Formats: sequence, structure tokens, C-alpha cells
Amino acid sequence: QVQLVQSGAEVKKPGASVKVSCKASGYNFINYAMHWVRQAPGQGLEWMGWINPANGDTKSSQKFQGLVTFTRDTSATTVNMDLSSLTSEDTAVYYCVRGRSSVTGWVFDYWGQGTLVTVSS
Amino acid sequence: DIQMTQSPSSLSASVGDRVTITCRASQGISNYLAWFQQKPGKAPKSLIYASSNLQSGVPSKFSGSGSGKDFTLTISSLQPEDIGTYYCQQYSSYPLTFGGGTKVEI
Repeated sequence: QVQLVQSGAEVKKPGASVKVSCKASGYNFINYAMHWVRQAPGQGLEWMGWINPANGDTKSSQKFQGLVTFTRDTSATTVNMDLSSLTSEDTAVYYCVRGRSSVTGWVFDYWGQGTLVTVSS
Repeated sequence: DIQMTQSPSSLSASVGDRVTITCRASQGISNYLAWFQQKPGKAPKSLIYASSNLQSGVPSKFSGSGSGKDFTLTISSLQPEDIGTYYCQQYSSYPLTFGGGTKVEI
């Protein structure tokens, strides 16, 4: 069965960077995109961007350009999200989400369990 | 960016009630619309894509409709396990955007 297992919670100081990993299993890793979505405490969902595991191509929301980097390790079937220059407003749960390409665009199907990133001095 | 507006922001209904949530896009998005359910303390779960198509394993009590700017999610008979927050999402254009959520209570 499809599983997306994310790395554990992180506590970071303002100005630092954080790396969140997402290990995929149960499907052909290179056949599906991986998107990243975050959720601040008590708030809604915010799309950050995605990576194509087949070739490493990425696209991020303009809000995060220059701050976020997506990478993948095909041998480990893992994607990573690096977010830099953290502020308290980056405190959130970060989710990886599998995206399948369809005639109607990107369809999210499976979600990781989420990783809480806390930014505090 | 395309703004997604959900209504109501919260609702309370009885077990067995038919529940409808609406989602409006700030511009036409054809049927590039998905719905997600998030239970308290859990990751979201994908329910519907392309406005009306159920994800694999999603019970048929959930249904979606709409095209263009206006969409609805319907739960035909509300059960206690359906409590949570429901989000719509457009994937017509970048950045992908979500509605603010509708909290469903019994």
C-alpha cells in the first residue's frame, strides 16, 4: 500500500533552516509528483510547491521562491523540503502529498502524516 | 492568485442529516476542484477530485458537483465519523489554493 512517512518534529531558532524528509513506498516513486503543503496552528492549508522525482524539476509558490528547495533521492525513494531564513510565521505542520497527473491537472491522493516545525528563540 | 471561498465556515447538524458545503472560486476553474477531509489532529484525506470523482475507497455518501466557479460537497447522511474540517482546493492554475475550511460538528 502507498505510504508516505515523514521525518520527526523539529525546533529551530529564527534565521535557521530546516529539512523535512518524506519517504515513499508502495508505488513506483518516479511516476508521481510530490507536493508540499503546510498548515499553521489553527489555520488552513497552504501549497508550497512540488518536485518531479523522475528528473528533479521543481516549482514553488512565488511566496516561497528563494526560501524553499525541493530535492529527491531516487535510490532512497525520498523527497526533501529545505526551508531557510525561518521566522515564527513558519511554525506549522508540513505535509508531503503525492500528486498524480491527470487530464484535469494535479490530483492529490496520498498524504504524509505531517511534520511539526516550531520556530522559537 | 485564485481565491477559494467556502461557506459556511462551520455547521452543526444531526446524525442522519444531509449536509452541503459550498466553495466558490474567484474565477472560472472548469472542474479542477478537489475536496479534502481533515479530522482533528490528523493529516488531511483526499475525498474528491475533478469536482465529482471519488478517490479510491471513499464511501459513496460523499458526492461533489459543480463547474466554473461554484461547487458543492454533499454528505448524504451525516455520521459521527464525518466530523472534522473540509477543504476545497483548485488546481486550475498556480499557485494551487485552498478554501478556508468548513468545520462540521454533530
